[in-house]
Amino acid sequence: DSGVTQTPKHLITATGQRVTLRCSPRSGDLSVYWYQQSLDQGLQFLIQYYNGEERAKGNILERFSAQQFPDLHSELNLSSLELGDSALYFCASSATLAGVGDTQYFGPGTRLTVL
Amino acid sequence: AQKITQTQPGMFVQEKEAVTLDCTYDTSDPSYGLFWYKQPSSGEMIFLIYQGSYDQQNATEGRYSLNFQKARKSANLVISASQLGDSAMYFCAMRGFAGGTSYGKLTFGQGTILTVHP
Repeated sequence: DSGVTQTPKHLITATGQRVTLRCSPRSGDLSVYWYQQSLDQGLQFLIQYYNGEERAKGNILERFSAQQFPDLHSELNLSSLELGDSALYFCASSATLAGVGDTQYFGPGTRLTVL
Repeated sequence: AQKITQTQPGMFVQEKEAVTLDCTYDTSDPSYGLFWYKQPSSGEMIFLIYQGSYDQQNATEGRYSLNFQKARKSANLVISASQLGDSAMYFCAMRGFAGGTSYGKLTFGQGTILTVHP
């Protein structure tokens, strides 16, 4: 158990819908990262938050947004869902912004299926 | 830009034997970190081992060791005394640092599926 929690574990929805994925980092960790894992794209970095502020953006679609709340939990919002958004979405957390040796610990993931 | 290449889509090993999973990387960053993660069939990503680019010695964590050859830009994972529970997908990843700014994101390779036979 990494200490990172993600809910829900599975999500099945229809095209055009909107969903929210939730993540709670390990106790004491200030950085939260979101990744998408799909068969064709592999593991892709989406976005990073540090202590409530957005710090880095990767290949995140405009239909996707995220935020980190004062209690440090984070939510990833996916809207106008398409079939191609079906993937495993991971949240990871680390202690600092990105120091040397700052390990990212991953949650169990949310498997999103868009029908 | 950073790139991780794992050239072995699948590897097989006999239980109790050692196995090496290959990873090569490409980066122009002056310092960087290399990580290995394990993803069992259940889907979670488990951190295994870390190697810093300026570390003088190869990292070790229990049965896992990292064969780091900086000049060759390789960071191979060695698993000794393989166990059936080692059957999983293994990912090599890196994070770079340049000019005092660190990039928090991890860049992952495509992964290697390891199967341990009894």
